[in-house]
Amino acid sequence: DQQVKQNSPSLSVQEGRISILNCDYTNSMFDYFLWYKKYPAEGPTFLISISSIKDKNEDGRFTVFLNKSAKHLSLHIVPSQPGDSAVYFCAASTLISSGSARQLTFGSGTQLTVLP
Amino acid sequence: DTEVTQTPKHLVMGMTNKKSLKCEQHMGHRAMYWYKQKAKKPPELMFVYSYEKLSINESVPSRFSPECPNSSLLNLHLHALQPEDSALYLCASSPAVLNTEAFFGQGTRLTVV
Repeated sequence: DQQVKQNSPSLSVQEGRISILNCDYTNSMFDYFLWYKKYPAEGPTFLISISSIKDKNEDGRFTVFLNKSAKHLSLHIVPSQPGDSAVYFCAASTLISSGSARQLTFGSGTQLTVLP
Repeated sequence: DTEVTQTPKHLVMGMTNKKSLKCEQHMGHRAMYWYKQKAKKPPELMFVYSYEKLSINESVPSRFSPECPNSSLLNLHLHALQPEDSALYLCASSPAVLNTEAFFGQGTRLTVV
């Protein structure tokens, strides 16, 4: 059972326009959410995060919105640039049962292509 | 230094070989992780170490054996692997319980022949 879902496997946008990537989760124990960007054969690179006590976090061109009641978050990239083309993973964090570390659960990813 | 270093970058091994993957970080993080990623799939958690102790083993077969010799190093010992174990193996680290990002290494691309 997927606890973190990204229902759009791919998204294409024109350069300069807004990219909106969506993510849904089911586990109410998740209290921290992250977006990672990934190129093939490389490790994920952290982009932006949001705590469950907030509904918005902004960092330059990247903004993450959290709707806790709907268990939904989204990543907005404005303006989109060709260099943003990559796979974007949504991840949700929770403490493990022993309380000694945190655990990330990833969504299936969305391939973003920004067209020049 | 916000780097997680993994070696080797690429590894080809036979099904009877024994090899090890290595991971190192110097950020003072006390939680370290091994993930496995197959093509076009998300990273899947294999092991979690917290304060050098194994905290989570996500039902990983015994042919994968993790080891955390100290707070900066994490190894994954491989023995008698199967071709279906071919994947990108990712190491990550984070502060143990704080709400902050995990840092990932570049991964080891493993091919079992």
